Order: sequence, then structure tokens, then C-alpha cells
Amino acid sequence: GAVVSQHPSRVICKSGTSVKIECRSLDFQATTMFWYRQFPKKSLMLMATSNEGSKATYEQGVEKDKFLINHASLTLSTLTVTSAHPEDSSFYICSAWGLAGSNEQFFGPGTRLTVL
Amino acid sequence: GQQLNQSPQSMFIQEGEDVSMNCTSSSIFNTWLWYKQDPGEGPVLLIALYKAGELTSNGRLTAQFGITRKDSFLNISASIPSDVGIYFCAGQLTGTASKLTFGTGTRLQVTL
Repeated sequence: GAVVSQHPSRVICKSGTSVKIECRSLDFQATTMFWYRQFPKKSLMLMATSNEGSKATYEQGVEKDKFLINHASLTLSTLTVTSAHPEDSSFYICSAWGLAGSNEQFFGPGTRLTVL
Repeated sequence: GQQLNQSPQSMFIQEGEDVSMNCTSSSIFNTWLWYKQDPGEGPVLLIALYKAGELTSNGRLTAQFGITRKDSFLNISASIPSDVGIYFCAGQLTGTASKLTFGTGTRLQVTL
């Protein structure tokens, strides 16, 4: 159990377009989902925390209007990168918390975004 | 944002050798976690530590929660080729749904 999926796994887009990334908890209800960004050979940096049905809490330096997060259900959170630019190219990873009896955050497999 | 300092940054070891890596922070954490990340994938939890001084094992892995709450180490015994990857420590403050602060990572490469 405790599987988290992300879609798409890879996406290439043109500069100026918007890209939506989905994070789903497949077999449990995720009260809280987290979005991280990871640049090549770097660590994971938390972007935002989202609780189902409420607005996301963004980390300092992360633009909420650029990285739109929606957590409309207990199994789905989406991250939309608006007006993407080459510097937004990165590996985006989500994690989900809420499996009954577990304190663990379960991570998705990540989405590689390349902005041309 | 804050990052935890891990050392070494990378290491090459021979198959069968033991590995040791550590993680330090300028601030206290209530929970320490160790993850492994393979290329192009999300991190996978290896060991979780919840109490200062706690020593926990998971197969060939052993980790300890430093008594000051500001550090942790991970040991891997008798390394094998599939141990290759990046190891991250992560600290967590209060509550189980609170955010994780990740370390800078230790890249492990194993030579046969």
C-alpha cells in the first residue's frame, strides 16, 4: 500500500506556456500533500504544503501566482507552473501524508519538466 | 530555505566495504529520517528516528539520532552494487504532517 503517482513523468514545453502536474495517492487518503523541487545534483527543496480543501502554504521565495497548487480532493493535488521559463526546468516531486497508522510521507516518482 | 549539511558529499567504495555518512544541523529536530534516491525517481524512506540517542537498524543499515538533536548518522555495512544512489537525511520539527528539511545529499558509488 501507500503508493503515490505523478503524471506526467516527463514534460517538455515551450517558454510562456503553462504546465499542470498531478500527484495522486492511489490507495489512501492524503490529508496533506507537499511539493518539492529538485535541481540537478541538488537536494529537494520544499515549495509548498497543501491541505485538502484549503489554500496552500508556500515557502519563502516561492511565487504562489507562478506555482498554482490545488488540493481539491483527498487523493489528488495539482501543481501548475504558469508562464514557464527555462529556469523553471527542474524535477518536481510530491509527497503525501495521511495513511492511517503511519507517520510517513510517501513520495511520488517525480516529474521532469523541461522548458525550451 | 534551510538545508542540513551532509558529509561526505560523495564517496567511492568497494563492494563489501562499510559506509558511514552524517548529517548536521544548526537547529534541533524532533525526528530524523534517512532516504535513498535513485536517478530519476522519488526518495524512498530507509530509516526513521524519533528519539534523541535512538539507534535503529534496518537490515544492513543502522542510523542514530544524535543526543543533541542536531545530528544523525547512517551506516551501511557490507555494501553491494544496488546501494548506489544518493542518500538524503531529513529533519522534521513538530507533528507528523509537518514539512521535511532535507540534507545536501551523499552520492554513493560502489566499485566491484
